[in-house]
Amino acid sequence: EVQLVESGGGLVQPGRSLRLSCAASGFTFDDYAMHWVRQAPGKGLEWVSGISWNSGSIGYADSVKGRFTISRDNAKNSLYLQMNSLRAEDTALYYCAKDIGFGVGDATFDYWGQGTLVTVSS
Amino acid sequence: DIQMTQSPSSLSASVGDRVTITCQASQDISNYLNWYQQKPGKAPKLLIYDASNLETGVPSRFSGSGSGTDFTFTISSLQPEDIATYYCQQYDNLPLRLTFGGGTKVEIK
Repeated sequence: EVQLVESGGGLVQPGRSLRLSCAASGFTFDDYAMHWVRQAPGKGLEWVSGISWNSGSIGYADSVKGRFTISRDNAKNSLYLQMNSLRAEDTALYYCAKDIGFGVGDATFDYWGQGTLVTVSS
Repeated sequence: DIQMTQSPSSLSASVGDRVTITCQASQDISNYLNWYQQKPGKAPKLLIYDASNLETGVPSRFSGSGSGTDFTFTISSLQPEDIATYYCQQYDNLPLRLTFGGGTKVEIK
C-alpha cells in the first residue's frame, strides 16, 4: 500500500524558515517524480514544486521561486521542502504527491499524503 | 502562464442526475488535463488523466473529454458519495508549469 506521510509543519513567524518532510513507502520511491501541492484554508489547490526521480529536473511555481527548495533522498525514501523567507500567504496545508512517471513533466498525481499545516503569523 | 477557467464554481443536483463541469484553458494544452476529486477534510484523488483516461479503480460513471482548450468532466448518474469539490489541472512541460482550476463544489439537491 502506497503511503505518504508529511511532517514538519507548524506555526512560524514571517521571514523565518521551515523544512517539510515526506516519508514514502509501499512503492519504489526512486522510480517516480514527486511534488508538493498546497491548499490555503478554504481555498483551491496550488502546485508548489516538483522533482524528477534522480533530482535532475526541478520546477517551482513563480510564487515560491527563490525562496523554496525541493530535494529528495532516495536512500531514505524521503522528499523535502526547505521554505525560507516565509510570508503570510504561504499559510496552507502542504501535500506531498507522487507522480505517475519518473519525470516532472508527467505532472499527474496518483497518490497524496494527508498534508502538514504551515501557519505563517506573528 | 496558462490560465484555467473552471465552471460552474458550484452546483446542486439530484441523485441520478447527469452532472457536467467544464474547464477552459487560455491556450492549447493538447490533452494535458487531469481531473481530481476532493472530499471534505481529505486529500485529492485522481479520477481522470490525459483528459479522458479513467484512473484504475474509479467508477465508470465518471468520464472526461476534450482537447486543445475545452474540456468536460461528467458524472453520468450522481451518487451521494460523489459530494465533493472537483478540480481540473493542466500541465506544461517546457518549462514545467502546473495550474489547477478554481474547483467546482458539487452538492446534492
